[in-house]
Amino acid sequence: EAGVTQSPTHLIKTRGQQATLRCSPISGHTSVYWYQQALGLGLQFLLWYDEGEERNRGNFPPRFSGRQFPNYSSELNVNALELEDSALYLCASSFRGGDADTQYFGPGTRLTVL
Amino acid sequence: AQSVTQPDIHITVSEGASLELRCNYSYGATPYLFWYVQSPGQGLQLLLKYFSGDTLVQGIKGFEAEFKRSQSSFNLRKPSVHWSDAAEYFCAVGVLGTASKLTFGTGTRLQVTL
Repeated sequence: EAGVTQSPTHLIKTRGQQATLRCSPISGHTSVYWYQQALGLGLQFLLWYDEGEERNRGNFPPRFSGRQFPNYSSELNVNALELEDSALYLCASSFRGGDADTQYFGPGTRLTVL
Repeated sequence: AQSVTQPDIHITVSEGASLELRCNYSYGATPYLFWYVQSPGQGLQLLLKYFSGDTLVQGIKGFEAEFKRSQSSFNLRKPSVHWSDAAEYFCAVGVLGTASKLTFGTGTRLQVTL
């Protein structure tokens, strides 16, 4: 069974540009989560999507947004990129979403903002 | 709000030696607890999880963890470390009512000497 996949592996952008990151969940999983892993800041929860709706959001500005498609894949968009957005962005999926559900992570997208 | 503390930033052990990585959480009720491992440049792999029941849980790769409510701890152990275990280890907590948000510790980097 294929795991969570993310694309691209690496992404290089300049300040002020927009970045789009993509995630495909494990087959049968309906929930997708996004986390940011920035140097010195650890793993921070960004967003949770379930059944096409945003269900929860971490403490990030509105320029971080996303969506979930009917096939449960998801996109994370980061507008007006800033240097401090450079990080590894991890996507995770779970079967049904919920506090007791186990999240399985993808390999991540390394975003570098120059 | 819940929090997770991993007091050891970096641990070095010899191959074949036993290992214990510490994790303490802060929350009033019973949390859901996870250990993940991250190899350099990779995503997170789930090692084990605790939701309820038996306080000693077995995971993959020969790891186990014990939930101790009185100490608010969920320490990860392995009786004999292999060189391939060198990686960063993250403890995470999920709490009922937080809508699937996982809170991660800052991680412990494990180095294995031959």
